Amino acid sequence: AQTVTQSQPEMSVQEAETVTLSCTYDTSESDYYLFWYKQPPSRQMILVIRQEAYKQQNATENRFSVNFQKAAKSFSLKISDSQLGDAAMYFCAYRSQRDDKIIFGKGTRLHILP
Amino acid sequence: DAMVIQNPRYQVTQFGKPVTLSCSQTLNHNVMYWYQQKSSQAPKLLFHYYDKDFNNEADTPDNFQSRRPNTSFCFLDIRSPGLGDAAMYLCATSRDRVAGYTFGSGTRLTVV
Repeated sequence: AQTVTQSQPEMSVQEAETVTLSCTYDTSESDYYLFWYKQPPSRQMILVIRQEAYKQQNATENRFSVNFQKAAKSFSLKISDSQLGDAAMYFCAYRSQRDDKIIFGKGTRLHILP
Repeated sequence: DAMVIQNPRYQVTQFGKPVTLSCSQTLNHNVMYWYQQKSSQAPKLLFHYYDKDFNNEADTPDNFQSRRPNTSFCFLDIRSPGLGDAAMYLCATSRDRVAGYTFGSGTRLTVV
């Protein structure tokens, strides 16, 4: 079975600095999708960025980018120029190409220090 | 705006009293999901529908049931809520297997 591991329960970063959230996953499949979701306190979970496993190029969305290492099964999220609004729980997630459901990691709570 | 709407936002129910949470979507997505999320934990999938096909997770308690009367609506029924069922319940939709999820705002269930 696929698993997603986020080894950092909490992290803090100074406003305007860069932070990287780690994620590793385990799968025997070659085609799949990876996601980072953001869940602000008491607010809706939203998709931050997604990566198709067949694409070598790392996905980028404005200040958010990923470092996808397929062989190492690693999928880290880099947030540049951190803003107070980035404070949230971040979930790394995996989806098989053959399955309807997404598997989530346990999350990393990110604090932004003013 | 197209979206996923969960009602109510907060629900308080008595121990053992049946409760229903609702989810509606205007996205016309084929797949709808119910997740349970306890404090500071990963969302745990309870079940999902692909169109009318119901898919139950093996470890979802029998106490939890779901209905999807049409594409737009999906309900989560908890027949006899226990204190351990207090959690945030998240509804999500997906267009297909390639796309990510669109989440509702969640319903926070308190059992007293």
